[in-house]
Amino acid sequence: EIVLTQSPGTLSLSPGERATLSCRASQSLSSTSLAWYQQKPGQAPRLLIYDASRRATGIPDRFSGSGSGTDFTLTISRLEPEDFAVYYCQQYGSSPFTFGPGTKVDIK
Amino acid sequence: EVQLVQSGAEVKESGESLKISCKGSGYSFTTHWIAWVRQMPGKGLEWMGIIYPGDSDTRYSPSFHGQVTISADKSISTAYLQWSSLKASDTAMYYCARLPGSSFYYPFDYWGQGTLVTVSS
Repeated sequence: EIVLTQSPGTLSLSPGERATLSCRASQSLSSTSLAWYQQKPGQAPRLLIYDASRRATGIPDRFSGSGSGTDFTLTISRLEPEDFAVYYCQQYGSSPFTFGPGTKVDIK
Repeated sequence: EVQLVQSGAEVKESGESLKISCKGSGYSFTTHWIAWVRQMPGKGLEWMGIIYPGDSDTRYSPSFHGQVTISADKSISTAYLQWSSLKASDTAMYYCARLPGSSFYYPFDYWGQGTLVTVSS
């Protein structure tokens, strides 16, 4: 089973700042089978990024993903008030399709 | 419009059985995998398993294999997650989610609203 580790656990930033979230896999992912999801309190997760760097439909271009192999990054270029949430990475290249523990982005 | 609508919240006692549902609409239900995801209170997301409604091919996470049963009724575009004997540790929010293709090597592009299952001991 591929284990995903996310860092930091919590990121405290102000609106307008840049957020950089990390996701590391315990073994190299086949192709770039990594997704990022955003979850707000009381809501279902929402797909942001798939294939490591492709934005899902309707996702603003302030969200970008990068990386390959075992190291992946989600960047939010300028935080908007609605971006404060928990972010999860998920690998879907090898069953079971595991999630990382999440990074909470909260308001500083 | 693609929608996944899950059944309502459940409150059960330990040892009882339960089956929750996820009804898909706005797309071809039989040609897209459906996944189930657990989220325990205040915790992260856990992938439980997936089913292909077209032929009921099912895959489970080792952590959940034997603990739950995933099924589907393609005639009514509905997937199910069931327990034969609930435990207090099954208390969680359960989400269904769709994969955007006929392969299971995809992320989850649409999610249900979640079903909260509360099990008292």
